[in-house]
Order: sequence, then C-alpha cells, then structure tokens
Amino acid sequence: GAGVSQSPSNKVTEKGKDVELRCDPISGHTALYWYRQSLGQGLEFLIYFQGNSAPDKSGLPSDRFSAERTGGSVSTLTIQRTQQEDSAVYLCASSPTGDSPLHFGNGTRLTVT
Amino acid sequence: RKEVEQDPGPFNVPEGATVAFNCTYSNSASQSFFWYRQDCRKEPKLLMSVYSSGNEDGRFTAQLNRASQYISLLIRDSKLSDSATYLCVWALEIHTGGFKTIFGAGTRLFVKA
Repeated sequence: GAGVSQSPSNKVTEKGKDVELRCDPISGHTALYWYRQSLGQGLEFLIYFQGNSAPDKSGLPSDRFSAERTGGSVSTLTIQRTQQEDSAVYLCASSPTGDSPLHFGNGTRLTVT
Repeated sequence: RKEVEQDPGPFNVPEGATVAFNCTYSNSASQSFFWYRQDCRKEPKLLMSVYSSGNEDGRFTAQLNRASQYISLLIRDSKLSDSATYLCVWALEIHTGGFKTIFGAGTRLFVKA
C-alpha cells in the first residue's frame, strides 16, 4: 500500500516568499505530525493533528508558520515570508493512533536563498 | 531540563562489538517508547518498540526502566550496516487530548571494519 507522501520533494525559494508543503498520510491514520530537521540536527516537533484538530501547536517557531488538515487526511504546512533560517528538511509522519509508531514521508527539502 | 537526554556520540566501534545507548526522559507520564534508526539524508524508520518487560529482535535488545526514567538499546555483534543515527522516541499523552511524539537528538554510530 501507499506510504506517507510529501510534495514537493525539493523546494528552493527566495527570502520573503510564501511556501506551502503538502503531506498525504497513510489512509486511515488519524494522527499526523510535522517535524523539521536542520542539517546535522535532531527532529524538531512542529505540530500534531488528531483528525482535523491540532491539540498541540506548541512547536511552531513563529506566527509565520501555520498548518491545517482537512477531511482527516491531507495536511498543508504554510510558511509565510520565508527566512534563511527556515531552510531545513520538513518531515511529515502519520500513525493509526497518537501513541503508535510513526510512518514518515521522504520529506521536503526547503532551501531559502 | 530537556524532555529527553541522549548522548549524541559518535560511537566508533569495530565490527562484532557490542554497543549500548541510553536515553533519559523527564516526564513520568510518558506512555509509549520506541527506538528509530535514521540513515544519512533519509527519514527515520522504526527499529523497535520498547516494553517494560524488555524485548529482543535478533541482535537488538531494548529495555525500559520507568523508575529511573530511561530506555536503552543494546546492539550485539555490530555490522557495518548498523552505522546510522539511533533516535529514542516516546509518545506523551497531552492534556488537550491525544499524544505528542517526541524524538531525542539521536546517537550516531559508526561501525568500522
């Protein structure tokens, strides 16, 4: 079956532009997570969805970051007015329930020039 | 105190060696525990879940000590292919509902011939 799908796989954007990253979780998985990983660093938690609601948004770095999930399925992470420090790999993961193992997508590598 | 403390390494070991990683967590309400493996420039993948009774999968043994709030991973007879970053992970129930999955920063392992 299909795994977690993320698009685009790579994105290069100019500083100040907005970007939208997409995550298509495994069908039936109610929990969806976004993480960010800078080069050589660990995973930084951004946001968690249970269904369409986000019980925990505590990891979003600033108000330039927002995320939504519709239909209990696809999620988009939007970064407005991108900055160079936003450059990282953005990973999406899903799981059947919040406390079961996560299945990761291949990530979106974002480069802000 | 960080939610999780994990020795970043790197651990450099010869083939055939036994290596152990520990990870401590700060929240006693933590629910589920896992070890993930991440290869360079790849997404994390589940290695094994961790149970209070301890569990073994081939050359890998995981232990959970709730009293001391740490989990461990033991790798016996190391192979070159074991070279990767090992991430300790736990799912924490949050007051707004659902679970938040937290990743440690990872321990890098290099197995040399």
